[in-house]
Amino acid sequence: KQEVTQIPAALSVPEGENLVLNCSFTDSAIYNLQWFRQDPGKGLTSLLLIQSSQREQTSGRLNASLDKSSGRSTLYIAASQPGDSATYLCAVRPGTGRRALTFGSGTRLQVQP
Amino acid sequence: SQTIHQWPATLVQPVGSPLSLECTVEGTSNPNLYWYRQAAGRGLQLLFYSVGIGQISSEVPQNLSASRPQDRQFILSSKKLLLSDSGFYLCAWSVHLSQETQYFGPGTRLLVL
Repeated sequence: KQEVTQIPAALSVPEGENLVLNCSFTDSAIYNLQWFRQDPGKGLTSLLLIQSSQREQTSGRLNASLDKSSGRSTLYIAASQPGDSATYLCAVRPGTGRRALTFGSGTRLQVQP
Repeated sequence: SQTIHQWPATLVQPVGSPLSLECTVEGTSNPNLYWYRQAAGRGLQLLFYSVGIGQISSEVPQNLSASRPQDRQFILSSKKLLLSDSGFYLCAWSVHLSQETQYFGPGTRLLVL
């Protein structure tokens, strides 16, 4: 059974810092991995999706990497801003054809102005 | 552009009462549809997904059921709510493409008293 773990559970940084969020998964046979952002009481916003054959994806100040063999992904946020404060979730889709995502419990990020 | 709607946004129901949550998608056809539940302090858990009208797959045994009466409509129901049904319910959709990014709705917060 796939398990997804995110470390740290919570993170507080001053504005302007570069930071890394970690995601690990137990079964490396994945189809893709997706990073989401969730604001309090809101739905999820998709940030980046990495196919199993890819090593990284970039969007603006965000860069996500994937090391499938070791079961790890990182989300790098450059020059953090208070507006980046949210919970960040990673989710993996199994490589067996099922479409269900398995989510981590998230990292709650607070960027202090 | 595609949009996804959920209603109601918030619901407070007594134990033993019925439930009906609705999700609709606009701007796409034949989407894959998903119902997730996010319990307080926990990750998202997939409850149901559907690849077409009348086609429902259940991920976990539970007190809930799902139906897809129309292509872009997904309904989550219960005949008798339990306290443990409280949570944040998220509907999501994806298209039949290789990447299959999942896009989430705004969610329904359910409190069972």
